[in-house]
Amino acid sequence: DADVTQTPRNRITKTGKRIMLECSQTKGHDRMYWYRQDPGLGLRLIYYSFDVKDINKGEISDGYSVSRQAQAKFSLSLESAIPNQTALYFCATSAVDGYEQYFGPGTRLTVT
Amino acid sequence: AQSVTQLGSHVSVSEGALVLLRCNYSSSVPPYLFWYVQYPNQGLQLLLKYTSAATLVKGINGFEAEFKKSETSFHLTKPSAHMSDAAEYFCAVSARYGGSLGNLIFGKGTKLSVKP
Repeated sequence: DADVTQTPRNRITKTGKRIMLECSQTKGHDRMYWYRQDPGLGLRLIYYSFDVKDINKGEISDGYSVSRQAQAKFSLSLESAIPNQTALYFCATSAVDGYEQYFGPGTRLTVT
Repeated sequence: AQSVTQLGSHVSVSEGALVLLRCNYSSSVPPYLFWYVQYPNQGLQLLLKYTSAATLVKGINGFEAEFKKSETSFHLTKPSAHMSDAAEYFCAVSARYGGSLGNLIFGKGTKLSVKP
């Protein structure tokens, strides 16, 4: 079984809808991250969490919110989706002193 | 502030040829450096990392990278390309200190094509 899982893998939604992307991990890591990937722009950090009570905004947090329900679960919400939020979204985890991050398979979100 | 520049959004090589993907970083102190690979329709996988031990770092699938402080570079190489190396490659930097310790800043990626 994969260490970092994301659901759903693909989602099409309409402008103005609320949508939640979920991430679960079995690596036992405290740190979790949400990124979005756009062609030609690489990965940009949306939010990150160093533990259940520590959540921080990343480079592009506007229009997004997160919830860290447990050490193993970190969800990303789009309160009112807009077309320019169409992207590939990745969840990642890392150990406190490992520095490398481990990525989920991604969620492809399309907002029409 | 830290940043990463990957030179060349697309690189094409012939099978068996040398692969060279360029990465330059900007940081006030030597950072931690990483190369990740993304195969089509998959997440990112760590290829190798530099965390201040040997400056020449060997990774998976025959890739290696050399940290050159004087050039602020961390270029990725492989002596002989294989068709299975076709993917997108990302260089990333992480701060050693401060509140953002552990956060990665990614380059924009380089797509590698391998011609038969």
